[in-house]
Amino acid sequence: DIQLTQSPSFLSASVGDRVTITCRASQGISTYLAWYQQKPGKAPKLLIYAASTLQSGVPSRFSGSGSGTEFTLTISSLQPEDFATYYCQQLYNFPPMYTFGQGTRLEIK
Amino acid sequence: QLVQSGGGLVMPGGSLRLSCAASGFTFSHAWMTWVRQIPGKGLEWVGRIKSKGSGGTTDYAAPVKDRFTISRDDSTNTLYLQMDSLKTEDTALYYCTTIQLPPPNDAFNVWGQGTMVTVS
Repeated sequence: DIQLTQSPSFLSASVGDRVTITCRASQGISTYLAWYQQKPGKAPKLLIYAASTLQSGVPSRFSGSGSGTEFTLTISSLQPEDFATYYCQQLYNFPPMYTFGQGTRLEIK
Repeated sequence: QLVQSGGGLVMPGGSLRLSCAASGFTFSHAWMTWVRQIPGKGLEWVGRIKSKGSGGTTDYAAPVKDRFTISRDDSTNTLYLQMDSLKTEDTALYYCTTIQLPPPNDAFNVWGQGTMVTVS
């Protein structure tokens, strides 16, 4: 099974900071990777799919990159509403497994 | 939009059915999934059902295979998750989601509000 490992698991940052979250896959998954944002008490929200494509309506300060086994989610200038937990997800397996990373909790410094 | 119902408290070994009512898109064309989340923990994919046009087949994660069944009623735009032989470790918040297609652009793009299942 493909495992996804996110780093860091916890991140403390300030409004206006640039932050990067990394997601590493245990084997190559091409660009079959998505990123989600989840706020407390809410369902996850799709931010990025196919590793680097911004979902419609998502602010351009979010960006994704990578292919194969290493991927990054970058927020160029943190806004107050960005403090949340972020998950990566692989959609590569057949039969499907749709594995999620363990999450990165982003908190206000 | 996806609006979920069902859920609640059930004893180990019992059964429960969750529903997910879809609106605002062509449900019959949609591939649908269920995802669960233990409160305070991460996300776990549960299973998927393709549209009937794509064969209507189902796939499940190993922990729920042979105990959970996903079905759909395209006449009422409703997705179901039948959960049998429930275990305490199935306690979680369950979400229904749509899968946007095609690969490699697939992702879970619309989510229900979640419904809590407690096995105790």
